[in-house]
Amino acid sequence: SQQGEEDPQALSIQEGENATMNCSYKTSINNLQWYRQNSGRGLVHLILIRSNEREKHSGRLRVTLDTSKKSSSLLITASRAADTASYFCATEAGYSTLTFGKGTMLLVSP
Amino acid sequence: ETGVTQTPRHLVMGMTNKKSLKCEQHLGHNAMYWYKQSAKKPLELMFVYNFKEQTENNSVPSRFSPECPNSSHLFLHLHTLQPEDSALYLCASSQEPIQGLILFEEKLFFGSGTQLSVL
Repeated sequence: SQQGEEDPQALSIQEGENATMNCSYKTSINNLQWYRQNSGRGLVHLILIRSNEREKHSGRLRVTLDTSKKSSSLLITASRAADTASYFCATEAGYSTLTFGKGTMLLVSP
Repeated sequence: ETGVTQTPRHLVMGMTNKKSLKCEQHLGHNAMYWYKQSAKKPLELMFVYNFKEQTENNSVPSRFSPECPNSSHLFLHLHTLQPEDSALYLCASSQEPIQGLILFEEKLFFGSGTQLSVL
């Protein structure tokens, strides 16, 4: 299966700290995407990184991609209580539709 | 809001009921999707429609019947469901690139979902 696996399953931090989530996958990809989901809501696209890119930034988000290790990380800097959500990685390979992992639940306490 | 609207937000139904979930996208996209999200499981792709044609059916039981009358609307008709079908059903849309011309970079736009409980 192509699906990504996020790690850790759950992460609890204090406001102001950085949060790092990891994603591993199994086969070659075109790109990898990160999505966020607030409780009981739909997923929201955060950032896309192509297979020929190694790092990408968007505001307080930093994504890295290591295709040799088939892994990616999402770093949220200076976290806020409003960052509390589940975060999913999704991989696109060949002409297949995006495949999602189980997600990491992030809790940011004030 | 993401431009994808799902109704109803919550639905409780018995195993013998027939109900429908509705999804509408206002983004001008040409592809629409149904996903099922159960606790502690990855998001499961159910159906994909591209330009109103079904392009993917992920071995979904026939008690789930999709309908896509046009590129903006997607329905999921439900009948004789089982309790294990209780889940959050998410609709999504994307702008599919033309194969061979540009890289596939489908970004999905999701609705807020329908939380379904089957009693």
